[in-house]
Amino acid sequence: EVQLVESGGGLVKPGGSLRLSCAASGFTFSSYRMNWVRQTPEKGLEWVSSISSGSDYKYYADSVKGRFTISRDNAENSLYLQMNSPRVEDTAVYYCARDGNLDLWGQGTLVTVSS
Amino acid sequence: DIQMTQSPSSLSASVGDRVTITCRASQSINRYLNWHQQKPGKAPELLIYAASSLQSGVPSRFSGSGSGTDFTLTISSLQPEDFATYYCQQGYSTPVTFGQGTKVEIK
Repeated sequence: EVQLVESGGGLVKPGGSLRLSCAASGFTFSSYRMNWVRQTPEKGLEWVSSISSGSDYKYYADSVKGRFTISRDNAENSLYLQMNSPRVEDTAVYYCARDGNLDLWGQGTLVTVSS
Repeated sequence: DIQMTQSPSSLSASVGDRVTITCRASQSINRYLNWHQQKPGKAPELLIYAASSLQSGVPSRFSGSGSGTDFTLTISSLQPEDFATYYCQQGYSTPVTFGQGTKVEIK
């Protein structure tokens, strides 16, 4: 089955760290650009970061630049988001999504940043 | 950043109705416009890409049109399973940006 499954969400204190994972299956993961997108009731859907198929290019939203790091392991069919120094405003459901058209989404993982 | 503006923000419609949602970009995005559907508690799903191409498995009652700055999503005959929130998304430039969503509710 073609799917993306996120994990790693939870409660984290401001200034702490958290690593999100996204496991891909059913398709050639190494051929696709991958993305992280987050969603809150207040701000809606917000693109967070993208990484090219070979990890050559990485892009970040201004709101997370310098704090979050995207990476991938094509041998393990996995995408990651390292969240350092999270802020309360980073609280959201985080989705991984495939390709520039976001043609495949995971089920999401909730990240809550609170003291 | 390219701003995406959807209208209306919500609408009420009956099963069988024709429904139209519009999306406007703050600058030309050619045809790099996608539409996603999201049901409560679920992840978004791609419906239409490149303004008018139907994603595999999506019913033909969904259609998209437009280019440049103005785009439309049309549901020709609303079905019970179509009650959801719809988002436009531009893929023309980074950062990818989304419209605020249009919630389609039962009248």
